[in-house]
Amino acid sequence: QQQVKQSPQSLIVQKGGISIINCAYENTAFDYFPWYQQFPGKGPALLIAIRPDVSEKKEGRFTISFNKSAKQFSLHIMDSQPGDSATYFCAGTNAGKSTFGDGTTLTVKP
Amino acid sequence: KAGVTQTPRYLIKTRGQQVTLSCSPISGHRSVSWYQQTPGQGLQFLFEYFSETQRNKGNFPGRFSGRQFSNSRSEMNVSTLELGDSALYLCASSSFGTTLNIQYFGAGTRLSVL
Repeated sequence: QQQVKQSPQSLIVQKGGISIINCAYENTAFDYFPWYQQFPGKGPALLIAIRPDVSEKKEGRFTISFNKSAKQFSLHIMDSQPGDSATYFCAGTNAGKSTFGDGTTLTVKP
Repeated sequence: KAGVTQTPRYLIKTRGQQVTLSCSPISGHRSVSWYQQTPGQGLQFLFEYFSETQRNKGNFPGRFSGRQFSNSRSEMNVSTLELGDSALYLCASSSFGTTLNIQYFGAGTRLSVL
């Protein structure tokens, strides 16, 4: 019941396009759903997060869409840029413990 | 505000040795969690400490242990190192106890076991 399933494993998008990464969870005890961005050699950096009582959150070019009944959430990156090329992790968090998806490697081609 | 600080950044050890990693959380954060990141297993939860008490523990053998000090700084210890312990060890802190339960990560300690 602790799994978070993330797809796709890798994604290639043209500059200016929309990148979409999807996650599904099982544990209804999660109280926060963050997305992290990780560059090689660095730790994961918080990108954006949403609480389960909110259906959408937007910060700049990044939007989380959350569907509580389907137990799914997604990250949309608008106007994707080559600098967005990184690995993205979704997670469900509860009481100091995060359960992560397997990650999506995003490549944005110029 | 300074971020999460992990030391050392890199470590090379041999099988059978033990190692201690250190983590200083963001000022005011009382929860510190540890994760192991490997290409094959992804990010896996080790344990979480809050106010010097271990609250959560992942599915790792007893060779992995930790502690938290009164200033919220935390250490993680791995004894009798195995080749499979080679990984990036990440520490994350959060201000648990408020409505903001988001974890912020350090840059990690890269452990290589030879």
